[in-house]
Amino acid sequence: KNEVEQSPQNLTAQEGEFITINCSYSVGISALHWLQQHPGGGIVSLFMLSSGKKKHGRLIATINIQEKHSSLHITASHPRDSAVYICAVHTGNQFYFGTGTSLTVIP
Amino acid sequence: EPEVTQTPSHQVTQMGQEVILRCVPISNHLYFYWYRQILGQKVEFLVSFYNNEISEKSEIFDDQFSVERPDGSNFTLKIRSTKLEDSAMYFCASSVRQANYGYTFGSGTRLTVV
Repeated sequence: KNEVEQSPQNLTAQEGEFITINCSYSVGISALHWLQQHPGGGIVSLFMLSSGKKKHGRLIATINIQEKHSSLHITASHPRDSAVYICAVHTGNQFYFGTGTSLTVIP
Repeated sequence: EPEVTQTPSHQVTQMGQEVILRCVPISNHLYFYWYRQILGQKVEFLVSFYNNEISEKSEIFDDQFSVERPDGSNFTLKIRSTKLEDSAMYFCASSVRQANYGYTFGSGTRLTVV
C-alpha cells in the first residue's frame, strides 16, 4: 500500500521547458514536503506546505488539501535541476515518502 | 550556511555487530530525525526525537534500534545486531520546530553489512 504516489516516475525535458511533477496522497496530513535528492545521494528540503502555494526562485509548489494533491513546478528548467524529486507527507505521527520522480534536463 | 553533519560517510560492518551512526544537528534546532534509504528504494522514516525522548517512530524502528542525544550536540542511531537488510543510506535531519516546518538533512551515512 502506497500512501504517497508520484507521477511521472521518470521525466526528460529540454532545457527551458516548464516542468510539473505531481503527488497524490491517501492519508490525512499536517504537512507535505518536497525534497530534492541529488545524484550523489544528498537530500535538500525544497518546500513545506500545509495549504496554498509557495514559490522559491524558479520553483513553485501548490497543494489542494481537499483533493489530496500537490504539484511541484519548475519554470525555465536547467540541466542543474536534474535530480530525483520526492514528495513526503507528515500525518502527525508518521512520515510517508513517495518513490520519487527522476528528472533529467537536457541542454 | 549551517549544516547537519553525519559521520562516518561510509561504514562497513559484519553481520551481528553493533554500529553507531553519528549526527551533529544544527545548534539551535530542537527536533531530530533519522531516515533510511535502501539502495534503489524510497526514503523511509525511522524515528523523530524531541526533548530527549522519542516523539514518533515507524514500525521499522524495532528493538534493535535506539537513539540518543548523549551530550547536547550529538544525535546517534544505534543498531544493536546488524542484519544484511540493514544495509542502506541513513540520513539524519533536524528542524527548529516540528516537521510542519522545513528541515535540514545531513549528507548521509552509507552502511554496508557484510
